[in-house]
Amino acid sequence: LAKTTQPISMDSYEGQEVNITCSHNNIATNDYITWYQQFPSQGPRFIIQGYKTKVTNEVASLFIPADRKSSTLSLPRVSLSDTAVYYCLVGVDFNKFYFGSGTKLNVKP
Amino acid sequence: SQTIHQWPATLVQPVGSPLSLECTVEGTSNPNLYWYRQAAGRGLQLLFYSVGIGQISSEVPQNLSASRPQDRQFILSSKKLLLSDSGFYLCAWSVRGALNTEAFFGQGTRLTVV
Repeated sequence: LAKTTQPISMDSYEGQEVNITCSHNNIATNDYITWYQQFPSQGPRFIIQGYKTKVTNEVASLFIPADRKSSTLSLPRVSLSDTAVYYCLVGVDFNKFYFGSGTKLNVKP
Repeated sequence: SQTIHQWPATLVQPVGSPLSLECTVEGTSNPNLYWYRQAAGRGLQLLFYSVGIGQISSEVPQNLSASRPQDRQFILSSKKLLLSDSGFYLCAWSVRGALNTEAFFGQGTRLTVV
């Protein structure tokens, strides 16, 4: 299972675009990259998943370079309600999901 | 649609007392089931994982145990709680056998051992 590294915390202001990068140098050929969002006192929820290039949905975009050794979650025009912890997961080890410490995003007014 | 129920939402228990947290999933069959714990300000730690009735895998040695008496019911237990068992406990499920699937989480139980 690929080890992931992401910043512990980030600060932003309302209306800005936020990019959170996750490094996963040992990603396997079959591994997908998945991001989750966790609000305080709630369980994480799925945001977006991708394999290569770019994926976009109503919440975020996910950019994956050709070598797939990193990925960037992009949140357009964040608001205070986007304050949360964001987790990057790479691969699923026999249906087991391992979450690291995540990136704590603090959006300021 | 699928839903996951976890209760109670909060719990305060004295040291040495037993624990039973219950989780049920509706709207799906044969799910994979999980128990996670999150200490204050920390990431999620996978505690137990189950692929079927009576089939439990423990990820870390600890004071807790899990059971799956029915297909969509997952129970986390302890005979004697320790102070270090305090934390936010989350139950989750995923589709069995699906590649690149996602985990669906309950709302969690905040346990404080005093």
